[in-house]
Amino acid sequence: SQKIEQNSEALNIQEGKTATLTCNYTNYSPAYLQWYRQDPGRGPVFLLLIRENEKEKRKERLKVTFDTTLKQSLFHITASQPADSATYLCALDGGSQGNLIFGKGTKLSVKP
Amino acid sequence: GAVVSQHPSRVICKSGTSVKIECRSLDFQATTMFWYRQFPKQSLMLMATSNEGSKATYEQGVEKDKFLINHASLTLSTLTVTSAHPEDSSFYICSASRVSWDIQYFGAGTRLSVL
Repeated sequence: SQKIEQNSEALNIQEGKTATLTCNYTNYSPAYLQWYRQDPGRGPVFLLLIRENEKEKRKERLKVTFDTTLKQSLFHITASQPADSATYLCALDGGSQGNLIFGKGTKLSVKP
Repeated sequence: GAVVSQHPSRVICKSGTSVKIECRSLDFQATTMFWYRQFPKQSLMLMATSNEGSKATYEQGVEKDKFLINHASLTLSTLTVTSAHPEDSSFYICSASRVSWDIQYFGAGTRLSVL
């Protein structure tokens, strides 16, 4: 079955630095991969979607890469701010009816 | 745009009672809605996928007689936890998409505590 791993449970960085989060997957070739932000006690908020034929996607200070050979996606937040502190979830298409398979998430803390 | 409202945000109930959770897409029509459950420090686990007007598709290990899902219109899906027990206590989250394979927009979640 598909397996998705977000390597770091937690990541602490200084304000202004670039945060890089990793998502690896096995036993699958997803058609697309998505990144979500989740704040405590709230539902996830969609950030970016990248398809298998795309190498990189950008949105403001966010950048996502998708390496189908390495079976890995990297999620970058440049010029990080304390307001970026949250849990970031990686999700793969589940192959059926558009459902998603989520990783456990990486809790990012940006210190001023 | 793409707002999903989930109600209630929190519910505390006695063991054996049933609880209904509503999920509404406020500004778009949702062909497909999804229901997830999330335990502390765990990932979202898909419980079921529902398409408007048809029966929900449940994931393996999810009891369809216990978790009743109704998707009667393009803007409303409900999840009813029947005869809830303490082990059903969790964070339940719905999401909606305009069409299958599209971006999912999530509700704020419902914290269920069964005493």
